[in-house]
Amino acid sequence: QSVLTQPPSVSAAPGQRVTISCSGGTSNIGNSYVSWYQQFPGAAPKLLIYETYNRPSGIPGRFSGSKSGTYATLDIFGLQTEDEADYYCGTWDAILGGYIFGTGTKVTVL
Amino acid sequence: QVQLQESGPGLVKPSETLSLTCSLSGDSIRRSAYSWGWVRQSPVRGLEWIGCIDDTGNTYYNSSLKSRLTLSVDPSKTQFSLILKSVTASDTALYFCLRYDLVSATCDYWGQGIQVTVSS
Repeated sequence: QSVLTQPPSVSAAPGQRVTISCSGGTSNIGNSYVSWYQQFPGAAPKLLIYETYNRPSGIPGRFSGSKSGTYATLDIFGLQTEDEADYYCGTWDAILGGYIFGTGTKVTVL
Repeated sequence: QVQLQESGPGLVKPSETLSLTCSLSGDSIRRSAYSWGWVRQSPVRGLEWIGCIDDTGNTYYNSSLKSRLTLSVDPSKTQFSLILKSVTASDTALYFCLRYDLVSATCDYWGQGIQVTVSS
């Protein structure tokens, strides 16, 4: 049911910046808040960004969310080795009447 | 601190019914700003929203599962449950329960997950 498209993988060296894109449509990203989740192998997803831009308490400031139209972005500034994980975007879809997740992006720290 | 814990069988036979329960601590199911939901994850389908239910019993189901799915809440036990009928191998997945913030449209707390395998 996923209609949110993410790149399968991105990689960068420690200290660099990575950008993860999430492409959707007017019924989802275009009309709702976007969230981002971080998932390590064998663990549950963890909320990283909510309401498109906001970080929950305890999430480092190097994680930043934004959106433009039907396109959302997660930036990780100053990449660290512990950031190596899978990342998913998520939002409500008004046509489907349910929550949808992106296809997921694996971040590799070189 | 909100904590969620899934429980239920790890193995279900094809055509039978899957029943899972999520136990909540550190919060109240009766809070109107939230609903209580389920997500599953498999290598084939990735993260898939199953549905959620709020404190008044309003439900929001994944349309592809709606005919087989029932969600319920038991505020007195601070638990909510999932029933999925007529399971097949494609229902094999890691199932997570979660709290869904209705205003922020975000899944802010997750259980650790329970692996469910459908096999004879």
